[in-house]
Amino acid sequence: EVQLVESGGGLVQPGGSLRLSCAASGFNFKIYSMNWVRQAPGKGLEWLSYIIAGSDTIYYADSVKGRFTVSRDNAKNLVFLQMNSLRDEDTAIYYCTTSNHYLDHWGQGSVVTVSS
Amino acid sequence: DIVMTQSPDSLAVSLGERATISCKSSQSVLHSTDKRTYLAWYQHKPGQSPKVLIYWASTRESGVPDRFSGSGSGTDFTLTISSLQAEDVAVYYCQQYFSFPRTFGGGTKVEIK
Repeated sequence: EVQLVESGGGLVQPGGSLRLSCAASGFNFKIYSMNWVRQAPGKGLEWLSYIIAGSDTIYYADSVKGRFTVSRDNAKNLVFLQMNSLRDEDTAIYYCTTSNHYLDHWGQGSVVTVSS
Repeated sequence: DIVMTQSPDSLAVSLGERATISCKSSQSVLHSTDKRTYLAWYQHKPGQSPKVLIYWASTRESGVPDRFSGSGSGTDFTLTISSLQAEDVAVYYCQQYFSFPRTFGGGTKVEIK
């Protein structure tokens, strides 16, 4: 069974940083592309980032480009989202997802709150 | 960027009745090489993670009830729930995976009338 477990969320002040992790199991992680998607309170889903299996192709949404960095450790079945220069509008539930073209498996989400 | 526009924003349907959600993309999501349509539908229930219902515009994900169906081509797509059940109350999103950035529609909230 595919499992994705996000961690690392919490409360951070504007301008601060957080690093989210997503632990994957139940599938051959090292051949799968991964994504991060978020949902702000009262808003819809927003795609944030994509990383291919070998990490040599990465994409970001304009809203996080230059502030967020995605990476992965295929030996440990982990994908990360380093979030810097956080803003109030980054407050959201952050999901990692597998990427079989479409987003076929989702984690339970990690809550990030940016507030002073 | 491809803009995905869903309508309506919300929908109230009686139990057992049909629910229809529209999604339009600002450009075609039909790939000229493989002839596949890069469009998915997701269901997001309160307190849960989103889950994929339909991909390639009309292929139902394993385990998804057959009352859910997807149709359309090019830039106009529809998600139909043929006979609404209480457990179908959720927000539904379309998403294109034709190009980056991936983009979602704004969502359609489906409720029981």
